[in-house]
Amino acid sequence: DQQVKQNSPSLSVQEGRISILNCDYTNSMFDYFLWYKKYPAEGPTFLISISSIKDKNEDGRFTVFLNKSAKHLSLHIVPSQPGDSAVYFCAASAGSNYQLIWGAGTKLIIKP
Amino acid sequence: EAGVVQSPRYKIIEKKQPVAFWCNPISGHNTLYWYRQNLGQGPELLIRYENEEAVDDSQLPKDRFSAERLKGVDSTLKIQPAELGDSAVYLCASSFLAGPTDTQYFGPGTRLTVL
Repeated sequence: DQQVKQNSPSLSVQEGRISILNCDYTNSMFDYFLWYKKYPAEGPTFLISISSIKDKNEDGRFTVFLNKSAKHLSLHIVPSQPGDSAVYFCAASAGSNYQLIWGAGTKLIIKP
Repeated sequence: EAGVVQSPRYKIIEKKQPVAFWCNPISGHNTLYWYRQNLGQGPELLIRYENEEAVDDSQLPKDRFSAERLKGVDSTLKIQPAELGDSAVYLCASSFLAGPTDTQYFGPGTRLTVL
C-alpha cells in the first residue's frame, strides 16, 4: 500500500522552462512534506519542505504547493537548469511519528 | 564540515554470507537512521537511533538483520545470512534532533549485490 505516490517515473524539460513534479498521498494524517533531490551515486539531499498549515513555500527557484483537499503536492522549478537533472523524491510524515514515507521518485532530465 | 560517511561503497557477496555496513554520522548529530532503497523505489526506514538507543526498529527484519550504535556515534548494520532479496542500496542518515522537521543528511550509501 503506497501512501506516497509519484506517478511519473521520468520527466524531460527544456532548459529555462518550468519543471513541475507531482506527488499524491493517501494518508490524511500526513502533516509535513519534503522534497529531496538525488544525484547518481550520492545520497538524497534535502531540497524544500512544507507544513500542512501552509499551501505554498518558496525557496529561490523552488516552490512547493500543497493541496490538502486533493492530497496532492507539487514542486515547481523555475527556471530549470542543467544541474537540476536528478531524481526527486517526495516524502511525508504524520504528527509525532517521525518516520518519513517516501515516494518512488521522478527522474528529471533538463535538455539544453 | 564532513558529511555522513559510509563504507564500503559497494559490496558483492554470495547468498548465505554475512555482510556489515558502517556509518559515521555528522559530528554532533544525535539521531541516526538506516534505510534500505530497492531499485526504482524510495528509501524505507529500517531503524532509527537517538544517541545509542534504538527507538524505532519496527521495520528491521530481526531474524537476519542487526544494528548497533555503540557510544552513540558511529553505527554498524549487519545482515546474516544474506538473501538474494537483500540486494539494495543501504543508506545511512543523521539529524541533529529527531523531529520530522529536522533535516536528515544522507551518506552516499552502500550498494549491496547478493549473488
